This record gives sequence, C-alpha cells and structure tokens, in this order.
Amino acid sequence: KAGVTQTPRYLIKTRGQQVTLSCSPISGHRSVSWYQQTPGQGLQFLFEYFSETQRNKGNFPGRFSGRQFSNSRSEMNVSTLELGDSALYLCASSFDRYTQYFGPGTRLTVL
Amino acid sequence: AQSVTQLDSQVPVFEEAPVELRCNYSSSVSVYLFWYVQYPNQGLQLLLKYLSGSTLVESINGFEAEFNKSQTSFHLRKPSVHISDTAEYFCAVSDNNNDMRFGAGTRLTVKP
Repeated sequence: KAGVTQTPRYLIKTRGQQVTLSCSPISGHRSVSWYQQTPGQGLQFLFEYFSETQRNKGNFPGRFSGRQFSNSRSEMNVSTLELGDSALYLCASSFDRYTQYFGPGTRLTVL
Repeated sequence: AQSVTQLDSQVPVFEEAPVELRCNYSSSVSVYLFWYVQYPNQGLQLLLKYLSGSTLVESINGFEAEFNKSQTSFHLRKPSVHISDTAEYFCAVSDNNNDMRFGAGTRLTVKP
C-alpha cells in the first residue's frame, strides 16, 4: 500500500496570508490527525478527523482549521499567518485508533 | 490525560556500543506505547509498538522495548548501534480515543 502523502512538501508564505495543506491517508484508513512540529514546542496535536467529522482537537487558536472529505483525504488551513506558524506540519492516518502512520510533512516558512 | 517524559534530550554513543533511550509515561487508563524515529527532513516512522500481550516488543532493525507497568516505563534498547541509527527518537502514548501524546524526543548520535 502507498503511504501517507502530503502536499506540498515545502511552502513559503508571508505574514497575514493563508495556507492550505493537503494529506492523503493510507488506503482504508478513515482517521487523519494533524500535528505541528517546532524545535521549541516539539510535536503538538492539532486535530483529528474521522469520517468527515472532527473527533479531537488540540489547543490551537481558531486560525487553524481542517476538514476531511468523503474519500478520507484531509486539508488543513491556517489563516492570517504569523511568524510563529513556521513549522513542519505532519499528517498521520490510522485504521485502528491506536497506531498512527505519518507522512513526510509539509515544511511551512512564514516570512 | 496521559503524558510522556523522555529523560535524555541527547545521547551520543560510539558505533557498535549498546544504547538505551529512556521513556516514562503517566496515565490513569490503559495505554498503548510507541517508539517513532525521525530522520532529518522526514516524517516519523513507526519503529515498534506495544498494544497488549508480551511486554517485550522488537523492531526489524534490532531495536527492542519493554513495557514495565510498575515503573510506567517503555525504554528503547539496542545491543549494538550503527552509524545509520543516528536520528531523533520519539516515545508516544495513546489511549482508546486515539489521543496520542509525544515526548520531547531524544537525539541519538552514533559516532565512528
């Protein structure tokens, strides 16, 4: 099976812009989770979607949002970008609610 | 809610030496434990996991971890490391709700 794919792999934006990141889970996986990874804060959970519904949510401001489509693909959107949003954004898919498989990530740089 | 503590932020070792990366967790419910490895500019790769059954779990590349409920630990070990094992290692704990929490990571550097 193909692994989790994320697009784009790299992205450069300026403050105030918005960005949309995409994630395609492993075939058959209905749960998709998003994480933000930074050197200072480590890996932080953003949210999880299952069958097009947000099931869990981390402690991030409302500028961070997501959605999931009927084919389980997911998108994450960040509006009004800030310098501190520069990070590696990781997507993970899961079949059994226990084990998550990660994609390669999208490296977002905010200038 | 559960949490994870990785006791060492950096572990330097020489090639062919044994290594142990320490991980302790806290949780009030049954947990599932994981070790992930991250190479530079890549995502996380699942190394091994404990869901139930035997408390000693092994990976295909020689790593092993033992779930110790009384000490709430899930330390990762390898008897002989290679240069290619240089990476960042993350311990993680999850519950029935797929709420996964990660440790801060341990950077393993294998020197020749």
